[in-house]
Amino acid sequence: GGIITQTPKFLIGQEGQKLTLKCQQNFNHDTMYWYRQDSGKGLRLIYYSITENDLQKGDLSEGYDASREKKSSFSLTVTSAQKNEMAVFLCASSLNANSDYTFGSGTRLLVI
Amino acid sequence: GQQVQQSPASLVLQEGENAELQCNFSSTATQLQWFYQSPGGSLVSLLSNPSGTKHTGRLTSTTVTKERRSSLHISSSQTTDSGTYLCAPDTNAYKVIFGKGTHLHVLP
Repeated sequence: GGIITQTPKFLIGQEGQKLTLKCQQNFNHDTMYWYRQDSGKGLRLIYYSITENDLQKGDLSEGYDASREKKSSFSLTVTSAQKNEMAVFLCASSLNANSDYTFGSGTRLLVI
Repeated sequence: GQQVQQSPASLVLQEGENAELQCNFSSTATQLQWFYQSPGGSLVSLLSNPSGTKHTGRLTSTTVTKERRSSLHISSSQTTDSGTYLCAPDTNAYKVIFGKGTHLHVLP
């Protein structure tokens, strides 16, 4: 079986800082996703990538950049961290559009 | 865009009771997934059911596509079933929209 790994597990940043979150999968899945989960708001799609070198904006892309460096990895950058921001960022992958998603265990972000 | 409503928001059961979770969505979906999120936060896909009825273990999902609704039935609930159940229909290929979830608490 494969695995999808997110690093770091916990990230504490300062206001205004640029922060990068990483996601790696060894399923050989084509498609990868970044979601943000806030308490009481469910998961919201930030960016997704259909295949290597592809980038598509989700509903919450403002304030973020993403990079699909190779098929197995998908990075997300918070361009300027907002003070008191607290959320969980979840990475997922799927073989293709109609396939089940597999999620990583998340990166918990706190901005002080 | 796709809107997803899940009900109930929270459900408390005694171990052994059955649970019925509902999901209504605003636009036609070609794919619909049910996920389980543990209290620790990890998300696991339970099953995909864009139409009809599907069973896996103690789980049964029924999706009526033209009525834009899906249900998840959990039979003989166990304390380890406690957590959040998320419904996720797609809005187009590659864009899955999540509901806020049903928080299930199963008491021993």
